Amino acid sequence: DAGVTQSPTHLIKTRGQQVTLRCSPKSGHDTVSWYQQALGQGPQFIFQYYEEEERQRGNFPDRFSGHQFPNYSSELNVNALLLGDSALYLCASSFGVASNIAEAFFGQGTRLTVV
Amino acid sequence: QKEVEQNSGPLSVPEGAIASLNCTYSDRGSQSFFWYRQYSGKSPELIMSIYSNGDKEDGRFTAQLNKASQYVSLLIRDSQPSDSATYLCAVINSGYALNFGKGTSLLVTP
Repeated sequence: DAGVTQSPTHLIKTRGQQVTLRCSPKSGHDTVSWYQQALGQGPQFIFQYYEEEERQRGNFPDRFSGHQFPNYSSELNVNALLLGDSALYLCASSFGVASNIAEAFFGQGTRLTVV
Repeated sequence: QKEVEQNSGPLSVPEGAIASLNCTYSDRGSQSFFWYRQYSGKSPELIMSIYSNGDKEDGRFTAQLNKASQYVSLLIRDSQPSDSATYLCAVINSGYALNFGKGTSLLVTP
């Protein structure tokens, strides 16, 4: 049973560029959430996708956008990268109908470095 | 801002002892509570979930929830060096987002 998979694992981008991160949820899950984790901090919620719609959004600027595909996989896009966007980006999947109580499982993360 | 607070540590315990990790939260409407373990450079791994007052046991781990006092704790019995990691408390306040604390670093010494 495949868990949550993310790609790529590491990425180096230049300030001002755009980046796309990808996530495939755990088998049987239909909801994908994205989190940003800076060094020494807990993960911060970016947004959640359910039924191909953004269901909830955290306190992140519009430079952060996403998409969910019919097969439940998801992409996170960040435009106009800033040095402060350097972080570990985590994808978590859960079962959507009860996502306010459901356990969420994380992928291995994408380490983004902006130079 | 709905806060989740954890002591950053490090919490140091000898091998075989009980490690006690604590977390407080500010939103009385919180309904779902989780503990994650995160090794350095890795992603968070779910250890326990708890939804109602009282204790929930799973192997060497026990989660305790007290909604009246707004705290949730994690006990690790017979601590092993492999338990050395950062432990993240996460709460769902309203909606669907996990609201994390900054984590407590645990060091189990042989």
